Amino acid sequence: AAGVIQSPRHLIKEKRETATLKCYPIPRHDTVYWYQQGPGQDPQFLISFYEKMQSDKGSIPDRFSAQQFSDYHSELNMSSLELGDSALYFCASSSFTDTQYFGPGTRLTVL
Amino acid sequence: AQSVTQPDIHITVSEGASLELRCNYSYGATPYLFWYVQSPGQGLQLLLKYFSGDTLVQGIKGFEAEFKRSQSSFNLRKPSVHWSDAAEYFCAVGGGSQGNLIFGKGTKLSVKP
Repeated sequence: AAGVIQSPRHLIKEKRETATLKCYPIPRHDTVYWYQQGPGQDPQFLISFYEKMQSDKGSIPDRFSAQQFSDYHSELNMSSLELGDSALYFCASSSFTDTQYFGPGTRLTVL
Repeated sequence: AQSVTQPDIHITVSEGASLELRCNYSYGATPYLFWYVQSPGQGLQLLLKYFSGDTLVQGIKGFEAEFKRSQSSFNLRKPSVHWSDAAEYFCAVGGGSQGNLIFGKGTKLSVKP
């Protein structure tokens, strides 16, 4: 069965640079969630989209923005990167009222 | 406030022994509950979920969990642990129509031969 695809899998950036993470949901899933997992931490919800509209917002810094496109893929844009942004970033997709399925994650390292 | 507590940070069991990982939740409404497993550096794999109905739910890899409303608990169990079960286990609440997931801090499982 098709799974959630995230790209890139690994990303290394310098401080103050920008990064774009991409997420391709499972076919026919209309909802996308972004989570951030710091080293040794539990995943923290950042933001979600349903039918291309933002549906909920968590602890997402103002330096980050995201959107969901007409083909339902989503991109998380991160600017002015800080050392503390180094983390695993997960995307999950679901049909609106169903279970969230997670992608493999993007490991972002900020140097 | 909604929250999930996993009291055990790290558990070590012998291969073949039984396992129980504890999870307690605080949620205003009837919760949707989940257990996910994460191997080092990997994504989160769904083990099982509870939305409603039978309070004992079966999942993949021989895992099961029981929802106990009176105790606000959703403990994960396996009768016989295999070395490949070594991983980190996260309990979560929310999801579905309840929106984003709230995770516990996780329990790291080690399996000794």
